[in-house]
Amino acid sequence: EAQVTQNPRYLITVTGKKLTVTCSQNMNHEYMSWYRQDPGLGLRQIYYSMNVEVTDKGDVPEGYKVSRKEKRNFPLILESPSPNQTSLYFCASSSLTGVVEKLFFGSGTQLSVL
Amino acid sequence: DQQVKQNSPSLSVQEGRISILNCDYTNSMFDYFLWYKKYPAEGPTFLISISSIKDKNEDGRFTVFLNKSAKHLSLHIVPSQPGDSAVYFCAASYSGAGSYQLTFGKGTKLSVIP
Repeated sequence: EAQVTQNPRYLITVTGKKLTVTCSQNMNHEYMSWYRQDPGLGLRQIYYSMNVEVTDKGDVPEGYKVSRKEKRNFPLILESPSPNQTSLYFCASSSLTGVVEKLFFGSGTQLSVL
Repeated sequence: DQQVKQNSPSLSVQEGRISILNCDYTNSMFDYFLWYKKYPAEGPTFLISISSIKDKNEDGRFTVFLNKSAKHLSLHIVPSQPGDSAVYFCAASYSGAGSYQLTFGKGTKLSVIP
C-alpha cells in the first residue's frame, strides 16, 4: 500500500530537549516536504526536498532542521524545541512531473512542547 | 502576506444541497490549483485540481471553477453528503524554474447536516 508514514503520532516534550520526527514514503517519490498546521493559520511549509541531498527552506524554517540522505526518508529535527513549536506536523511526498500535482500526506504528528 | 485566501472558516449545508467553497489568490504567477480534504486525525488527501489553461474541471460530485481574471476559484459539491464533512484546503503552485511548492489557504470547515 502506497503511504507516507510518520512517527510518532503524539509527542510531549520539554523545552530544549532535542527531538526527531521521522517520515518515510514507499512510493519512490523525489519530492518530500514538512508542513505545520496551526489553528487559524492553515498549512505552512517548513522545509522541502527535491531529491537526495537537496533541501530548501519553506515559509517557516526557523528552529527546524531536515536531512535527506535516502530517497525514502525525510526526518524533521528540532534541536532545541520551544513552546511556539507546539503544533500538528505533516510530512508529504510527491513525484516530480513538472509541477507538484498530488501531495501524499502522512497522518500527522501532534507535538506539544512544555 | 497571505497569497491564498479562504475567507470562510466554516460552512454548513443541508444534505443533498450544493456546497460552494471559495478561494482567492493574489499571486498572478500561480498556474495550478488544488483542493485537499482533511478529516480529523488524518492527513489531507488530494481531491481535485485545475490548471490555469482551463476554467472548469469535474470529477463526479466535485467541480472546480477557475476565474483567472478575478483570481478566484471555487469548489462545488453536488449533492452534498454527510461524509463530505471535513476541512477543505485550497492550494496553489506555479511551475517556474525550481519552484514546486504548494501554498495553502487556511481551510474551510464544511459541515453537511443530515
